[in-house]
Amino acid sequence: GAGVSQSPSNKVTEKGKDVELRCDPISGHTALYWYRQSLGQGLEFLIYFQGNSAPDKSGLPSDRFSAERTGGSVSTLTIQRTQQEDSAVYLCASSLDRPSYEQYFGPGTRLTVT
Amino acid sequence: AQKITQTQPGMFVQEKEAVTLDCTYDTSDPSYGLFWYKQPSSGEMIFLIYQGSYDQQNATEGRYSLNFQKARKSANLVISASQLGDSAMYFCAMREGGSQGNLIFGKGTKLSVKP
Repeated sequence: GAGVSQSPSNKVTEKGKDVELRCDPISGHTALYWYRQSLGQGLEFLIYFQGNSAPDKSGLPSDRFSAERTGGSVSTLTIQRTQQEDSAVYLCASSLDRPSYEQYFGPGTRLTVT
Repeated sequence: AQKITQTQPGMFVQEKEAVTLDCTYDTSDPSYGLFWYKQPSSGEMIFLIYQGSYDQQNATEGRYSLNFQKARKSANLVISASQLGDSAMYFCAMREGGSQGNLIFGKGTKLSVKP
């Protein structure tokens, strides 16, 4: 079946512009996560959606970052007034509704802020 | 304090030999899960193996096994019979509590398999 998809695969933007990153999770997966990975680093948690519950936004680094998940499926991560330190690979993952179930990751969006 | 510590930034192993990648974790939650992911140079994150805190036996998946030492809070990944395709970054991760919350990742270990 189809895996997690993300678009765009690459995004170059000027400092100060807003960007939107999209994630399509695996059909039937109730949980959706956003992480970012800076060059040569591990993954940093950003936000987590579970069904209709309020999202866990505890990982968002600033109020310039926001995300929504429409209809319990597609999610959009928005970064307003981008800064150079926002440059990273943004990874989306989804999983089924058991704590032991692995998260399936998308290919990521590489964001470069110039 | 770091929740997940991977002390080996890089490792080399000869093809067909076994290799152990270290991971220690820190949590006060009695319920947690430990995961290992592989990230090849292409960038995708590939799930390898899972160990629950209450699991009595060490997890195994093909050539991968997890050496779970609860008292030491370590969850080392053992790869047997290394192959050239095993060359990649390997990340240890933890989920705390009985929920589907986010994973906490270590900084990773870069494994290089030599022919």
